Amino acid sequence: QLQAVQSGAEVKTPGASVKVSCKPSGYRFTDYGISWFRLAPGQGLEWMGFISTYSDEANYAQKFHDRIGLTADTDTSTVYLELRSLTSDDTAVYFCARGGGSRPLFDSWGQGTLVTVAS
Amino acid sequence: QSALTQPASVSGSPGHSITVSCVGTSSDIGQYDFVSWYQYHPDKAPQLLLYDVSHRPSGISTRFSGSKSGNTASLTISGLQSEDEAYYFCCSYAADNTFVLGNGTRVSV
Repeated sequence: QLQAVQSGAEVKTPGASVKVSCKPSGYRFTDYGISWFRLAPGQGLEWMGFISTYSDEANYAQKFHDRIGLTADTDTSTVYLELRSLTSDDTAVYFCARGGGSRPLFDSWGQGTLVTVAS
Repeated sequence: QSALTQPASVSGSPGHSITVSCVGTSSDIGQYDFVSWYQYHPDKAPQLLLYDVSHRPSGISTRFSGSKSGNTASLTISGLQSEDEAYYFCCSYAADNTFVLGNGTRVSV
C-alpha cells in the first residue's frame, strides 16, 4: 500500500527556516522521485521542486530556487524539504508526492504539513 | 511561470455532468500531452484522477474523463455524486522538468 507520512505542524517566526520530512512506503524508495507542493490560504496548489531519490539531483521552481533545498536520505528512506528566509506568505500546507521529473504524474501524496509563519 | 486558469467554482445537480476547464499557454498545455488532474478534499491528501490528459489510474471511476484542445484541458465528471464535492486542480508539464498547476475549482453538487 502506497503512502507517505510527513512530519508534524510547525510554527516559525519571519526570517527563520523550516525543515519538513516525508517518508514514503509501499515501494522501493529509489525507484521514484519525490516532488513537493504547497497550498496557501486562498491560493492554488503550487509545485516547488523535485528530487531524484536515485541520483540525489534536484530541480526547483524558479520562484523558490534561492531559498529551497531538497535532500534524500536513502538510509532512512526519507526526503526533506528545507525552506529558508520565511515570510508570512509562506504560511501554507506543504505536501510531498511521489512522482515528477519529466511527467506530472503524482500518484501518492503525504497527508500535508501545516507551516505557520507569524511573529 | 503563471498558474493555469481554472474557474473558481462549478456546480451541478446529482446525476448530471459538469466540465472543468484549465487554460494554459502554448508553452505548457499546448505543447505537451502531459496534463493531470487531482481531487482535493480539505484536510485530506490530494488524489490523482487523470494523467497524460485522459488516462485513469486503477481504482478511479470511469465517471471522470479528460480531454485537451489547443491550450485548454478539460475534466468532465458525469453522473455527479455528493462525494464529488471537492476542489479540483489541473497540472501541466512546463519544460525543463518543471510543472505548473491551476488555481483550483470548487465543485458543488
